[in-house]
Amino acid sequence: NAGVTQTPKFRILKIGQSMTLQCTQDMNHNYMYWYRQDPGMGLKLIYYSVGAGITDKGEVPNGYNVSRSTTEDFPLRLELAAPSQTSVYFCASSRIDTQYFGPGTRLTVL
Amino acid sequence: AQSVTQPDIHITVSEGASLELRCNYSYGATPYLFWYVQSPGQGLQLLLKYFSGDTLVQGIKGFEAEFKRSQSSFNLRKPSVHWSDAAEYFCAVLTGTASKLTFGTGTRLQVTL
Repeated sequence: NAGVTQTPKFRILKIGQSMTLQCTQDMNHNYMYWYRQDPGMGLKLIYYSVGAGITDKGEVPNGYNVSRSTTEDFPLRLELAAPSQTSVYFCASSRIDTQYFGPGTRLTVL
Repeated sequence: AQSVTQPDIHITVSEGASLELRCNYSYGATPYLFWYVQSPGQGLQLLLKYFSGDTLVQGIKGFEAEFKRSQSSFNLRKPSVHWSDAAEYFCAVLTGTASKLTFGTGTRLQVTL
């Protein structure tokens, strides 16, 4: 039981490039989330999903897109990377009321 | 709107000393509260949670937290800190639908030997 896995662990992008952050959970959780973590700011919710085919915006969705075609996977897409998207990104999943987190992806946009 | 405040950005304690990390919340109804720990370069690990019942909750790694409705607080405590407890600690409250969480800004704990 791997829990929540994220790839890649690290990535450097140039301004304007695009990329997809992958997130997979093997706990059969309906709810999944994407957060970004910036120093001194805690975690901010980007997008979340309550099940396959259903997604919704969180607190800071601008510049990101998500999809949820299966229960297991919840990829986060950055279309035109900007320096403001330099951050650590965490994926989480939840069945009812407790979220479990992946190890994170550290993204730098130069 | 729901919010969580962690007043201490950084705390330093000596190994073996007691620890208390503060958390205050703003929430209209009975809150569901959480403490998570993040070791350097790692994801967040759940320490403990409070939903209802006994206001003193026990968690992993010897941590406990006490819910005080009158003070809107959910402070984390440990009687004797170990060097391996050095990490960042986040308090969070369950918010709205879909089990979303609102996080505090975190408290970084440094442990001196």
